Amino acid sequence: AQSVTQLDSQVPVFEEAPVELRCNYSSSVSVYLFWYVQYPNQGLQLLLKYLSGSTLVESINGFEAEFNKSQTSFHLRKPSVHISDTAEYFCAVSADRGSTLGRLYFGRGTQLTVWP
Amino acid sequence: DTAVSQTPKYLVTQMGNDKSIKCEQNLGHDTMYWYKQDSKKFLKIMFSYNNKELIINETVPNRFSPKSPDKAHLNLHINSLELGDSAVYFCASSQFTGSQETQYFGPGTRLLVL
Repeated sequence: AQSVTQLDSQVPVFEEAPVELRCNYSSSVSVYLFWYVQYPNQGLQLLLKYLSGSTLVESINGFEAEFNKSQTSFHLRKPSVHISDTAEYFCAVSADRGSTLGRLYFGRGTQLTVWP
Repeated sequence: DTAVSQTPKYLVTQMGNDKSIKCEQNLGHDTMYWYKQDSKKFLKIMFSYNNKELIINETVPNRFSPKSPDKAHLNLHINSLELGDSAVYFCASSQFTGSQETQYFGPGTRLLVL
């Protein structure tokens, strides 16, 4: 089975500072990795994903994440955050549908709070 | 154009009542899911349907019954609601292509049982 650990439940940071949200996973098979963002009182939005190919993936709003197979990590980074980035961020993993039937396993989330 | 929509957005009801949540997707996907997000924001899958066939049924009380009338719809009916059912319920959909897929989520239904 797959599992996801988000090491920080809360990350406070000042505006324009860099941020890293950590995510580690465990799996006995090849995985696909996702970051979802949940703004207050809203649904989940896909931020970025790693399916295959380049291990560095980027979102349209400046976030990036790097798949590190040896460290089983998929940390999310942004060089300069905005107040509007304040949200809950979820790391998730899935595997080949044959082994998981498409299940997504979520971490417990990291609340990013950006202060002015 | 809403890709995955859910109704209602908010639902407040009394213990013991029966309620339904509806989900529709216009992405042409063949698989739909229900997830539950608890008060600590932990997300866990409940059910999954592929082409109207149930393929995932996690350890969920049988008071919860999903129904998929067609590929674009997956409804969730809950009987005899309990306080512990209070949560946010998310619907999601995906398209299986080879071995990989991406799930797209609806806005959630916030259920409060009094």
